Amino acid sequence: QTVVTQEPSLTVSPGGTVTLTCASSTGAVTSGNYPNWFQQKPGHALRALIYSTDNKHSWTPARFSGSLLGGKAALTLSAVQPEDEAEYYCLVYYDGVWVFGGGTKLTVL
Amino acid sequence: QVQLQESGPGLVKPSQTLSLTCTVSGGSISSGGYYWSWIRQHPGKGLEWIGYIYYSGSTYYNPSLKSRVSISVDTSKNQFSLKLNFVTAADTAVYYCATKARFGGFDPWGQGTLVTVSS
Repeated sequence: QTVVTQEPSLTVSPGGTVTLTCASSTGAVTSGNYPNWFQQKPGHALRALIYSTDNKHSWTPARFSGSLLGGKAALTLSAVQPEDEAEYYCLVYYDGVWVFGGGTKLTVL
Repeated sequence: QVQLQESGPGLVKPSQTLSLTCTVSGGSISSGGYYWSWIRQHPGKGLEWIGYIYYSGSTYYNPSLKSRVSISVDTSKNQFSLKLNFVTAADTAVYYCATKARFGGFDPWGQGTLVTVSS
């Protein structure tokens, strides 16, 4: 089965910009894999941020954006806020199966 | 606004069947174009898509669980359910129900329910 890899951890300063990526063991991630991104804070359920590569939900802050970058799905946070500190997970679709990445712990420091 | 709520036993014995129900409020489970999903998160935080059932009744399962899992819908109760047979400690996880529009993302989600497999 496809293995989806994310950076285990990243650190960003408040006000800065950071890009999280999501790579597949089977090759490039494309729009046909319908990448999704979720945020999870301790003790809470996942909160959907992005679907189908770059589509935002109505509640997704403008500073979050999704894209494809160098064969990976990417989530870019601009003007990072302290409340953005959380775990971020990608989810991609391969051969009829949805596969989660291992998550990136984002620290705002 | 659709809301989802999981319910079921928090403790299941090894080799038995895990059964969970997700109650849908604020909308009809018979609405066209939606996938009614189950996802779990292991204690180490790894997430796994279990499967979903389309409004038409078609089911799609993760191959890693396909031999043990069943998802069904009860339109009269506006609920959908998960059954996972022959559970082991490796099935201990927080189980979430969620919905996915055909051309949309996975949202909303239930709050999740912890199921522990232990004798």
